[in-house]
Amino acid sequence: NAGVMQNPRHLVRRRGQEARLRCSPMKGHSHVYWYRQLPEEGLKFMVYLQKENIIDESGMPKERFSAEFPKEGPSILRIQQVVRGDSAAYFCASSPQRGANYGYTFGSGTRLTVV
Amino acid sequence: EDKVVQSPLSLVVHEGDTVTLNCSYEVTNFRSLLWYKQEKKAPTFLFMLTSSGIEKKSGRLSSILDKKELSSILNITATQTGDSAIYLCAVENQGAQKLVFGQGTRLTINP
Repeated sequence: NAGVMQNPRHLVRRRGQEARLRCSPMKGHSHVYWYRQLPEEGLKFMVYLQKENIIDESGMPKERFSAEFPKEGPSILRIQQVVRGDSAAYFCASSPQRGANYGYTFGSGTRLTVV
Repeated sequence: EDKVVQSPLSLVVHEGDTVTLNCSYEVTNFRSLLWYKQEKKAPTFLFMLTSSGIEKKSGRLSSILDKKELSSILNITATQTGDSAIYLCAVENQGAQKLVFGQGTRLTINP
């Protein structure tokens, strides 16, 4: 069981470009959560998805950010027209059912740097 | 708005010392509190606490929840340099749709 796989590990984008971050959940996990971590801060919730559905996107900025979790393939967090303030570590976590008591496993993160 | 505050933000001790990390929270309809250890990459799970007063233990680490005081502590005894990390506290509400994290405590163990 490979665990939660995120790629790329590091991503550098120029201001105005698009960033696509991928998250493959653990086998058998259909719930995916995305978090953002700014330097010297804790993780901040962005969005919770269950196969093909967005359940809670209350932490997503209203513009430029979108997320999907298609029936086949990884979950994608997409950031359009990136700005310097988007530089952060983006972590995803997966679980087999809703709730931390079912096991909530984090990936190693994607570190996005906007130059 | 749900909130988690950790203290201290940073702590430096010598190998062999005992440390206590604090976490206080305000959350609507509390479900659980979790502790994670974060080194250079993914947060790794340490404990999940749901009931007040019951200590959870794993080797030199232990944790307890106080629902009356809305707080939890994480103890590490006989610290080792490998314990150096950021320790994150998070709470989950009954909706179980997300975790709310504190800022973390950066623990440094010097040999």
